[in-house]
Amino acid sequence: NAGVMQNPRHLVRRRGQEARLRCSPMKGHSHVYWYRQLPEEGLKFMVYLQKENIIDESGMPKERFSAEFPKEGPSILRIQQVVRGDSAAYFCASSPISRRGYEQYFGPGTRLTVT
Amino acid sequence: DAKTTQPNSMESNEEEPVHLPCNHSTISGTDYIHWYRQLPSQGPEYVIHGLTSNVNNRMASLAIAEDRKSSTLILHRATLRDAAVYYCILSHRRGGNKLVFGAGTILRVKS
Repeated sequence: NAGVMQNPRHLVRRRGQEARLRCSPMKGHSHVYWYRQLPEEGLKFMVYLQKENIIDESGMPKERFSAEFPKEGPSILRIQQVVRGDSAAYFCASSPISRRGYEQYFGPGTRLTVT
Repeated sequence: DAKTTQPNSMESNEEEPVHLPCNHSTISGTDYIHWYRQLPSQGPEYVIHGLTSNVNNRMASLAIAEDRKSSTLILHRATLRDAAVYYCILSHRRGGNKLVFGAGTILRVKS
């Protein structure tokens, strides 16, 4: 059973460009979470999605960031007009059911560098 | 929201047991206690979770105090591969399913 897959693993963008990060959850998982880890800082929750629905986006920056999890295909985290402060590791996690006692399985992350 | 407190770092010898403490004195009755770890340059990895009773799995054991105000993650025989940052996290009813990571405990394992 393949784990959570993220691509690309490394992404370099110039300031002002768009970054698209993809996440394929584990087979059978319909809940996806995105977290960000800034350099030398802890992991911060960004958004929680179910198929075609955003459930909790309380951690998403108000501008330039968006996320989707369509009926078919991977979840996408999109960052428009990237700035240097967006340079970070972005992790996706998935879980099989929406309950507080269930574990989340994390992908290897996408490391975004903005030049 | 209930918070957790962990030591900044701990050190262990290889092949010896490790007890990683976590204080959560303001835990509510329905909060689950989760442990994750993050190896260098990798994504977090689920370790174990529990509610009231002690839990065991192939990776570790979780000992939960009777009043639930503290818990201990036990690695029975530390290996070099266990060197990581260990996070103790509570899942809050109002917080939904998001995980709120603190600074965690950096575990160093000496050979």
